[in-house]
Amino acid sequence: GENVEQHPSTLSVQEGDSAVIKCTYSDSASNYFPWYKQELGKGPQLIIDIRSNVGEKKDQRIAVTLNKTAKHFSLHITETQPEDSAVYFCAASRRDSSASKIIFGSGTRLSIRP
Amino acid sequence: NAGVTQTPKFQVLKTGQSMTLQCAQDMNHNSMYWYRQDPGMGLRLIYYSASEGTTDKGEVPNGYNVSRLNKREFSLRLESAAPSQTSVYFCASSVLSSEAFFGQGTRLTVV
Repeated sequence: GENVEQHPSTLSVQEGDSAVIKCTYSDSASNYFPWYKQELGKGPQLIIDIRSNVGEKKDQRIAVTLNKTAKHFSLHITETQPEDSAVYFCAASRRDSSASKIIFGSGTRLSIRP
Repeated sequence: NAGVTQTPKFQVLKTGQSMTLQCAQDMNHNSMYWYRQDPGMGLRLIYYSASEGTTDKGEVPNGYNVSRLNKREFSLRLESAAPSQTSVYFCASSVLSSEAFFGQGTRLTVV
C-alpha cells in the first residue's frame, strides 16, 4: 500500500541555523504534498504545500522542494527561531480525488537550541 | 467558525468497554478522516470517508468501526477496548484530498 517515510525522527539545531526534513513516498500517483506543524496538545496545522507540477515553493522562512522522479520531497526552514520548535509531518495524497486517503510520515520532533 | 470539533477530549476506559468518539465539522467538507497518533509512529489512518454514506479502511482499521452519519459528522467506535488502543485520536476533514483540518484530539487511555 501507500507509504510515506520521514527522516530524521528528531532534529536539534542552533537558533538561527537551518533545518531540513526529508520524506519519500511510494504512490507514484500522489500529486499533493503538504507539511503540517503540530504544537504540544494541539492538532496538526498546514504550514506549506506543494503540487506535483511544481519543483519548489517558498513562503518566507520555509520552503519545500519536490523531486518527482526520485519520489522525494523536503522541508527547509531557514533562520530558525524558538517558536519553530514542534513536531513536523509530511504527507502525500492524490489531490482532487474524492476517494483518496492522506498518508502521513512518522513525524520529526524539531528542537531549537538558544 | 468552529472548524473540526471532537468529543470527548479525554477518556479512560476499562479493557472490554465500548465507546464512541464523536467528530463534527462545519466547513462543508466532503472528506473526513480518523487518525491515531502514537509516539514514534506518526499519524496512522484508521478509517476515512470520501463522502456521506461511504467509508473505507485505512492502515490500522482492526478493532474500530465508523459511521458517517451525515456530511458533518463522522464517529469512531471501539466495540471492546484493548490497552493497545491507548492513543491520541484525531479527526480531520478536507475538501477532497487537499488541505486537512484537524480537531484538537481525544486522549484515550485503556486500562
